[in-house]
Amino acid sequence: SQTIHQWPATLVQPVGSPLSLECTVEGTSNPNLYWYRQAAGRGLQLLFYSVGIGQISSEVPQNLSASRPQDRQFILSSKKLLLSDSGFYLCAWSFGGGEPGAFFGQGTRLTVV
Amino acid sequence: ILNVEQSPQSLHVQEGDSTNFTCSFPSSNFYALHWYRWETAKSPEALFVMTLNGDEKKKGRISATLNTKEGYSYLYIKGSQPEDSATYLCAPDGNTPLVFGKGTRLSVIA
Repeated sequence: SQTIHQWPATLVQPVGSPLSLECTVEGTSNPNLYWYRQAAGRGLQLLFYSVGIGQISSEVPQNLSASRPQDRQFILSSKKLLLSDSGFYLCAWSFGGGEPGAFFGQGTRLTVV
Repeated sequence: ILNVEQSPQSLHVQEGDSTNFTCSFPSSNFYALHWYRWETAKSPEALFVMTLNGDEKKKGRISATLNTKEGYSYLYIKGSQPEDSATYLCAPDGNTPLVFGKGTRLSVIA
């Protein structure tokens, strides 16, 4: 069976510090990978998605970047955090072959102070 | 990327009332529609995945229908309970990144 791991669960970082959130998927190959964010009072916003190693598409201009160094690893990064980066971040995966279904990690609550 | 609209944005109902929400999406380049129940700062909970026009799925007091020709899906909750309070998200899956609607925020008042 497939599982998704996302960490850390909570994070408090000062403004200007770097960020690295990690997500790994087990039990499947070549998944589509996603990073979403829920900012205060808003819906679930797609930030990045990837259909393969090294292939990243960004949906929203921002202070964040994503990388996919391995097939089942997806990393969300920032060189310098802003207060507006605070929010709840979710990693998700779906089958790469078009089979429907999307599965979420447990989320990371990021507070930038 | 498939655009998706959900309505209403928010809804307040009394305990015991039945309610429904709408998800609208482009009917072209579509092969599945996802419904999720989402509590803030938690992982969304999958409710239904529907693929066929006319599909109807049910899970307890919650059910959903799908019309792929006209591009909409309805989610119904029968006899709403306070624990149903959450944001209900839909996402059309068209072999493009999975983009969610802004959701319908349901509050059930005891």
